[in-house]
Amino acid sequence: ELKVEQNPLFLSMQEGKNYTIYCNYSTTSDRLYWYRQDPGKSLESLFVLLSNGAVKQEGRLMASLDTKARLSTLHITAAVHDLSATYFCAVDLQRGAQKLVFGQGTRLTINP
Amino acid sequence: DGGITQSPKYLFRKEGQNVTLSCEQNLNHDAMYWYRQDPGQGLRLIYYSQIVNDFQKGDIAEGYSVSREKKESFPLTVTSAQKNPTAFYLCASSMAGRSYEQYFGPGTRLTVT
Repeated sequence: ELKVEQNPLFLSMQEGKNYTIYCNYSTTSDRLYWYRQDPGKSLESLFVLLSNGAVKQEGRLMASLDTKARLSTLHITAAVHDLSATYFCAVDLQRGAQKLVFGQGTRLTINP
Repeated sequence: DGGITQSPKYLFRKEGQNVTLSCEQNLNHDAMYWYRQDPGQGLRLIYYSQIVNDFQKGDIAEGYSVSREKKESFPLTVTSAQKNPTAFYLCASSMAGRSYEQYFGPGTRLTVT
């Protein structure tokens, strides 16, 4: 059974600081997705990582994938308040169809 | 505007009643998905469909049923057999194949008392 674990689950940080969210998964996969969710809202796609060593960047967020370590990271640079949200990673295990298993989410709060 | 719509946004039902949640997409996506989210938790897959008239169970299908008669529509019925139906339900769609991200609808918050 595929398990996806994120840490930390809660993160409170100050504006301007850097931090990293970690996503570990238990079974071989080369497909990993990061999503953002604002309180009471739906999910917004951030990054799609499709191979070992993949790195994607958008603004102050950068995601990477190491399939050998079964680890993805979401790095936040010089955080701003607007990035406060819950971030989910999801791993796609199944061949021939997309069947995602989500982590528990990391609730990020950025204080002025 | 292309997107996914779910209705209603909030739904209240009495225990023992079946209820159907609507999901429609105009993105011309082949695949559609239903997830359940409980407070402070990640999403769990209920059912998914890759083509019309075909669907597969996800990780928590018990107490739920779906149909896929049209490409644009993937309604979810929460039956009285679902023991803890109160949750936030999210519908998603994607292009066929494993390299495409899923796009999510706004969700339906179901409360059963």
